[in-house]
Amino acid sequence: ETGVTQSPTHLIKTRGQQVTLRCSSQSGHNTVSWYQQALGQGPQFIFQYYREEENGRGNFPPRFSGLQFPNYSSELNVNALELDDSALYLCASSLVAIPGEQYFGPGTRLTVT
Amino acid sequence: QKEVEQDPGPLSVPEGAIVSLNCTYSNSAFQYFMWYRQYSRKGPELLMYTYSSGNKEDGRFTAQVDKSSKYISLFIRDSQPSDSATYLCAMSDAAGNKLTFGGGTRVLVKP
Repeated sequence: ETGVTQSPTHLIKTRGQQVTLRCSSQSGHNTVSWYQQALGQGPQFIFQYYREEENGRGNFPPRFSGLQFPNYSSELNVNALELDDSALYLCASSLVAIPGEQYFGPGTRLTVT
Repeated sequence: QKEVEQDPGPLSVPEGAIVSLNCTYSNSAFQYFMWYRQYSRKGPELLMYTYSSGNKEDGRFTAQVDKSSKYISLFIRDSQPSDSATYLCAMSDAAGNKLTFGGGTRVLVKP
């Protein structure tokens, strides 16, 4: 069984730039969620994708957008980067039939300078 | 006030002791309750998954949910230095698409 993978591991961007983060879901899972974790805090829900459509969104501005592909992999795009976007971005996969049971990848650490 | 409250610690215990962790919450719609372990600079690892009230045991780990008090607990028996990590509680409503996390408790098990 293949776990959740994310790329890249680390990323440094400049304020105002755009970034794309990638996630491959665990084998057999059909749902992907994205979370932002600031240093010393718990993860914050950004959004979830199921069947290539957004299935719930947290309190994040529209410059945070996503995609899910037919193979259930996903992308998180962030436009107009701000310094406060510096965080660990976590992807989690799950089965829509098992609410709440989400498995996380290792994360992408984004630094905005 | 946050929806889920968790003492940040750190909680320091000697090896072999019982580690007791807890979270309180305010949203009565929460029905699924999870505990995650997160090592430094790594992704959270799912330890326990519980639906509604009651107890669940898995090896050295026991999770308890008291919905009437809006209080959940995690107990780790025979703690090991490898248990040193941050423990996050998480909850969701019936839809289960959004997990709401506590801030995490840092645990240090000393040899």
